[in-house]
Amino acid sequence: AQSVTQPDIHITVSEGASLELRCNYSYGATPYLFWYVQSPGQGLQLLLKYFSGDTLVQGIKGFEAEFKRSQSSFNLRKPSVHWSDAAEYFCAVADVTASKLTFGTGTRLQVTL
Amino acid sequence: GAGVSQSPSNKVTEKGKDVELRCDPISGHTALYWYRQSLGQGLEFLIYFQGNSAPDKSGLPSDRFSAERTGGSVSTLTIQRTQQEDSAVYLCASSLRTRNTGELFFGEGSRLTVL
Repeated sequence: AQSVTQPDIHITVSEGASLELRCNYSYGATPYLFWYVQSPGQGLQLLLKYFSGDTLVQGIKGFEAEFKRSQSSFNLRKPSVHWSDAAEYFCAVADVTASKLTFGTGTRLQVTL
Repeated sequence: GAGVSQSPSNKVTEKGKDVELRCDPISGHTALYWYRQSLGQGLEFLIYFQGNSAPDKSGLPSDRFSAERTGGSVSTLTIQRTQQEDSAVYLCASSLRTRNTGELFFGEGSRLTVL
């Protein structure tokens, strides 16, 4: 069965600093990978997704992620963090035969001014 | 509305009572999912519907949990004889497609507290 590990439970960065959130997955075939963001009191919103092709994918709000098969990783990055980016971030992998997403436990991002 | 709507947004109940949580997906979305979000546990898959049928119920924690979907639209998640460990946020999501090549659209969730 597929699984997702987000090693960092909580990360704090200063506004304007760069950000990298880690995600490692376990899946037997080429995975479909996703990053979602959950702002306080809101539902989850898709930031970006990887299905195939270019391993560097661009998403909304200035986020990007890079798929590295050799490391089974799909880390999320942003060059310059804004205070409004404070939220919880979830990495997910899809089992294309089972029609569901498996989520990691999330990383809570705090942004200091 | 334009998004996934869930009700109630908050529910406090006593242990042993039954609760019903409702999800109204985006119009035209054929796939509907229920997830449970507990503190520090991430999102736990409960059940998935394609139309009115549920090909995958593997995530339902016990036989106290059931769900149905009618008319290919609204879904109800029912928890019977609630226990304190059922306290969580229950999230509903919908999607245009059954296979996860598409985006899931999530509601804001129903927060359940069992006293």
